[in-house]
Amino acid sequence: QKEVEQNSGPLSVPEGAIASLNCTYSDRGSQSFFWYRQYSGKSPELIMFIYSNGDKEDGRFTAQLNKASQYVSLLIRDSQPSDSATYLCAPDMRFGAGTRLTVKP
Amino acid sequence: GAVVSQHPSRVICKSGTSVKIECRSLDFQATTMFWYRQFPKKSLMLMATSNEGSKATYEQGVEKDKFLINHASLTLSTLTVTSAHPEDSSFYICSASGGGANTEAFFGQGTRLTVV
Repeated sequence: QKEVEQNSGPLSVPEGAIASLNCTYSDRGSQSFFWYRQYSGKSPELIMFIYSNGDKEDGRFTAQLNKASQYVSLLIRDSQPSDSATYLCAPDMRFGAGTRLTVKP
Repeated sequence: GAVVSQHPSRVICKSGTSVKIECRSLDFQATTMFWYRQFPKKSLMLMATSNEGSKATYEQGVEKDKFLINHASLTLSTLTVTSAHPEDSSFYICSASGGGANTEAFFGQGTRLTVV
């Protein structure tokens, strides 16, 4: 069974703070790692993807990948209330349960 | 981002009938399509991955004969739920990717299936 684990949350941060979202996966053969955001009742939206060890930055978002530890994370800088959503980690498009993030004004 | 259209958005069918869901990539060629189902407040469960012109690869525990997937062209994949039963009621959603494992995938709007 290929497992993807995320803290379900809710994770609550104040506006302007850094939100840190973590994900571990069991399949060592995973090649591509995606982060999606899903608002209630909507389809997931891609935030970013990473496939090499290290950091990848895109605007306020930074994805970090450590294949040896089977760990991938997403940092959101200067969090905004509009970032409040469920964040889904998806190694090779297999999804974790998601972490619910709430950014308080 | 790219546009993926899924149809129908909602369908109600009688137990024992079959339902076909379409997933179309409107502005790119989708070499790979993914089919998921999602229960309320639960994660997306990958059902199968299909590559254009090839048989779909089903995840463990997903019945191939129950959930028929066809990916005959680079812009269209279909999921047919055969002999549907109330327990098949769920939210089905597709995503499409244009370039293999390291390429982002875009989601359709999803289909809410209710079997009565």
